[in-house]
Amino acid sequence: QKEVEQNSGPLSVPEGAIASLNCTYSDRGSQSFFWYRQYSGKSPELIMFIYSNGDKEDGRFTAQLNKASQYVSLLIRDSQPSDSATYLCAGNNNAGNMLTFGGGTRLMVKP
Amino acid sequence: GAVVSQHPSWVICKSGTSVKIECRSLDFQATTMFWYRQFPKQSLMLMATSNEGSKATYEQGVEKDKFLINHASLTLSTLTVTSAHPEDSSFYICSAYPGGVYSNQPQHFGDGTRLSIL
Repeated sequence: QKEVEQNSGPLSVPEGAIASLNCTYSDRGSQSFFWYRQYSGKSPELIMFIYSNGDKEDGRFTAQLNKASQYVSLLIRDSQPSDSATYLCAGNNNAGNMLTFGGGTRLMVKP
Repeated sequence: GAVVSQHPSWVICKSGTSVKIECRSLDFQATTMFWYRQFPKQSLMLMATSNEGSKATYEQGVEKDKFLINHASLTLSTLTVTSAHPEDSSFYICSAYPGGVYSNQPQHFGDGTRLSIL
């Protein structure tokens, strides 16, 4: 069973702080990892994805991948109340076209 | 770019009715489209994978005769919930994959369809 694991939270951080969201995966065949944000009652929207070991930055977001440890993380700098949502981590399959999703981490940013 | 349109946004109908949901990729061709279902406070559950011009592949436990999927073109897939019952009430979300095999592109999601069966 290929799995992606996330702490369900909620993770509560004050406004302006760094939020750190973590994810582990079991399928070593996964090449790319994706972070989606899902607001309550809405569909997931892509934040960013990463496929190389190390860090990838996009604005306030930084994704980190460590393939040896099978660990993916998402850092959100200067967290805003509008960042409050559920964050879904997903890894793809060998062919690259299917995703296995984690259960999501609920982030709450308090003003 | 990478816009996926899903219609309708919400449906309320009587038990026994069949409901059709459309998923269109507006600015790219989708080699594969996916249908997910999400119950309140739960994560996404993949229902089926569809490739243009071929039969859909259903996940274990998903009834293919109840959830009919047609992928007529590289930009359109439809999900028909046949003879819907209250237990089929859920949030149905489609996604489209723009890349070929081994391209490692993300899936792009439609806005979802909230289905309520009375």
